[in-house]
Formats: sequence, structure tokens, C-alpha cells
Amino acid sequence: GDSVTQMEGPVTLSEEAFLTINCTYTATGYPSLFWYVQYPGEGLQLLLKATKADDKGSNKGFEATYRKETTSFHLEKGSVQVSDSAVYFCALIDTNAGKSTFGDGTTLTVKP
Amino acid sequence: EAGVTQSPTHLIKTRGQQATLRCSPISGHTSVYWYQQALGLGLQFLLWYDEGEERNRGNFPPRFSGRQFPNYSSELNVNALELEDSALYLCASLRRAINNEQFFGPGTRLTVL
Repeated sequence: GDSVTQMEGPVTLSEEAFLTINCTYTATGYPSLFWYVQYPGEGLQLLLKATKADDKGSNKGFEATYRKETTSFHLEKGSVQVSDSAVYFCALIDTNAGKSTFGDGTTLTVKP
Repeated sequence: EAGVTQSPTHLIKTRGQQATLRCSPISGHTSVYWYQQALGLGLQFLLWYDEGEERNRGNFPPRFSGRQFPNYSSELNVNALELEDSALYLCASLRRAINNEQFFGPGTRLTVL
């Protein structure tokens, strides 16, 4: 079946450092890929998405590219801020097949 | 536009009891997904309802069930509660004709004593 493997956390960075959170997947069909973020005390919210191979999703300085050849959707940000501290979830969703698979989440802490 | 709402916010039950959790999707959304988020773990897919029917379910026992009403709101029922059912239960809605983006509710925290 489908699966998502995320880089294990927690990840601790200093402000303005470069961030990469790895995400790889296995899937049948043609899923869309997502990154969701959960800030402390809040619900999950969409950070960015990509619906087909080679698409790049971007939002708030975060980017991820849907790479079919490496089955990856790594999240990157050039310069993190303290306010980026949260749990990040990589997800694979194929609405037509009714499949929805989330990674275990990666906790990011950014220190000033 | 109102977001996804869930009730109750917290629910405390004892082993063997039944729990009922409710979800109201965003207006115009016809699909509802349910997830279980146990402490320290990721989201585990429970159930998918679309247009009033159960379309798919995750790897959970039959005591996890639910339904979707004509107004697209949904109910998750957990029978014969076990201690390990303690978790945050999240509901998400989406409008299939538009895209695959799921909008999440705040969740119901279920504690089984």
C-alpha cells in the first residue's frame, strides 16, 4: 500500500539557518503531495502542495518539488524564523482512490 | 467562510463505553475524512465519506464506524472503548471537484480511563 516516510525529528536550528525536512513516498496511482503544518496549540493547516510530477509548491518561503524519479517531496526553506517552530507533516492524498497517508510528523524548533 | 467544526472538544470515557464524535464540513464540501492522532504519532487514516457513503476505511477494527448525513456532516462512533483509543481525532473536509486539499477541524481529544 501507499506509505510516507519522513525524516525523524526533532530538528533544532538557529534562526536564519537552512531547513530541509526529507519526505519520501511509495504510491500506486497518481496522488497529490502535501505539506501540512501544526503550530503549537493549533490544528493542521496546509503549507503547500504539488499535484503532479515536477510541480513545485511554495508558500511563506517554504518550497517542495514533486520528484517522481526519486519518489521524494523534501521541504526546504532558506532562512528559518522562530515563528516556524511547529510540527510538519508530509502527506500523500489520492482523492479518486480515497487514499490519504500522512507521515509521522517532524518537530522543528528554531532558536533565536 | 466558516471552517470545519468538531464537537465535543474533549471527551472522557471509561473502558467499554461508546464515544460519538461529530464533524461539520465547510459549506459546499461533500467529502469528510477522519483521522486518529495518538500522542507522539502521526495521523492514521480512519474513514472517508463522500456524498453520504463510506468510500474507504483504514486499518482499524470494525468497532470504529461512522456515517455521513444528507447535509454532509459526519459522525464517528467508537464502540467498546479501549485505553489505546485515547487520541486526538481529526476531521477534514474537501470539495472533490476542485482539488485534493483537505481542511482540518480542531479535533476532539478523547481520553479513555
